[in-house]
Amino acid sequence: GAGVSQSPSNKVTEKGKDVELRCDPISGHTALYWYRQSLGQGLEFLIYFQGNSAPDKSGLPSDRFSAERTGGSVSTLTIQRTQQEDSAVYLCASSLVNTEAFFGQGTRLTVV
Amino acid sequence: DQQVKQNSPSLSVQEGRISILNCDYTNSMFDYFLWYKKYPAEGPTFLISISSIKDKNEDGRFTVFLNKSAKHLSLHIVPSQPGDSAVYFCAAETFAGGTSYGKLTFGQGTILTVHP
Repeated sequence: GAGVSQSPSNKVTEKGKDVELRCDPISGHTALYWYRQSLGQGLEFLIYFQGNSAPDKSGLPSDRFSAERTGGSVSTLTIQRTQQEDSAVYLCASSLVNTEAFFGQGTRLTVV
Repeated sequence: DQQVKQNSPSLSVQEGRISILNCDYTNSMFDYFLWYKKYPAEGPTFLISISSIKDKNEDGRFTVFLNKSAKHLSLHIVPSQPGDSAVYFCAAETFAGGTSYGKLTFGQGTILTVHP
């Protein structure tokens, strides 16, 4: 596609439910990143995939968060047993090696 | 531990004047710096970057200055235009052996408003 695509654009979920957020990176981009932006905060790194290497999961805030990238393309970020503090905009980005990251429009997650 | 800081939450500038956005960092391992611009309901878009081997990079109306000794960088926009009104994020990363770790550390952002 022309850019990074994320779905859904908005998600409202009840506390305790699981959610899945999807990211379609730019075709051919080997690197894929997940960030989140909480209200009034900067972007917080969550996880980074590069080719076939093991992902850098150092930013995941708890074991309720996980992500996978299938076939080196589409990625899914899963949040289990959502909490209100998980409410944020979740941003996905992709890039070629050693080039700037291109971001999607984000998924706004609201946990009620 | 805020490794990248943008201490000004907002900046208001008149059209045609210069906008100066500032960013400080604490991690001396950072060797590549980027500025992103973000409009509401959109993802951040890359604006300009600078490597630590340089102290200035210019692209049209946008110039980024890096002062490594002070661990400070700034983005200058001149002349400022109303369409520049957005949130500006600075970001930093570390390259090791010429390959990016892929982990950008962002500042909190500065809201720039350019008045006509």
